[in-house]
Amino acid sequence: DTAVSQTPKYLVTQMGNDKSIKCEQNLGHDTMYWYKQDSKKFLKIMFSYNNKELIINETVPNRFSPKSPDKAHLNLHINSLELGDSAVYFCASSRQGLAGGGEQFFGPGTRLTVL
Amino acid sequence: DQQVKQNSPSLSVQEGRISILNCDYTNSMFDYFLWYKKYPAEGPTFLISISSIKDKNEDGRFTVFLNKSAKHLSLHIVPSQPGDSAVYFCAASASGTSYGKLTFGQGTILTVHP
Repeated sequence: DTAVSQTPKYLVTQMGNDKSIKCEQNLGHDTMYWYKQDSKKFLKIMFSYNNKELIINETVPNRFSPKSPDKAHLNLHINSLELGDSAVYFCASSRQGLAGGGEQFFGPGTRLTVL
Repeated sequence: DQQVKQNSPSLSVQEGRISILNCDYTNSMFDYFLWYKKYPAEGPTFLISISSIKDKNEDGRFTVFLNKSAKHLSLHIVPSQPGDSAVYFCAASASGTSYGKLTFGQGTILTVHP
């Protein structure tokens, strides 16, 4: 009965490869997010989708492309992986329309290592 | 430009005592603040929040205080328990901006000793 799930949990790959991370939430939320936690441990928002529509895109390289097939899923595809993409990526979800942002529920994270 | 800062990377406290975690912000548009707790190899979990119309919010052992004039908030945990040992993130958002965009601090590692 996991609320927000991500696959895979660990991903090790070579520079230049293309990879995807999948996220699913079973909370009935309308809004989903991708965050990146870098080596300095900062959690920074990358994208947000509301009802399959992109609403936040935070100056992320074009190599990152989110895809939301339905409001319960938000996948992250990364092309031409670079060393600097190594990080932990978290998916999150929240209900629509909460004042002040509201509570977001996070997945367990995907640790991406680019060699 | 780090708009939310947690200046203490770590805090060590004895079980049963009070833990006080601090957070400062610079963006005056922020009007909603949250604390998240994170265990290793897990995602952050929501702990407590406060709106800018309040200066205090309490939930069991956890109390968040907001000082808008100082742009400062703090999380008090009383009494602290070993299970509280985790990384604590402060986050802030501005209503009226994009849906739910949270800006996080860099976290404070809390260790509660038995």
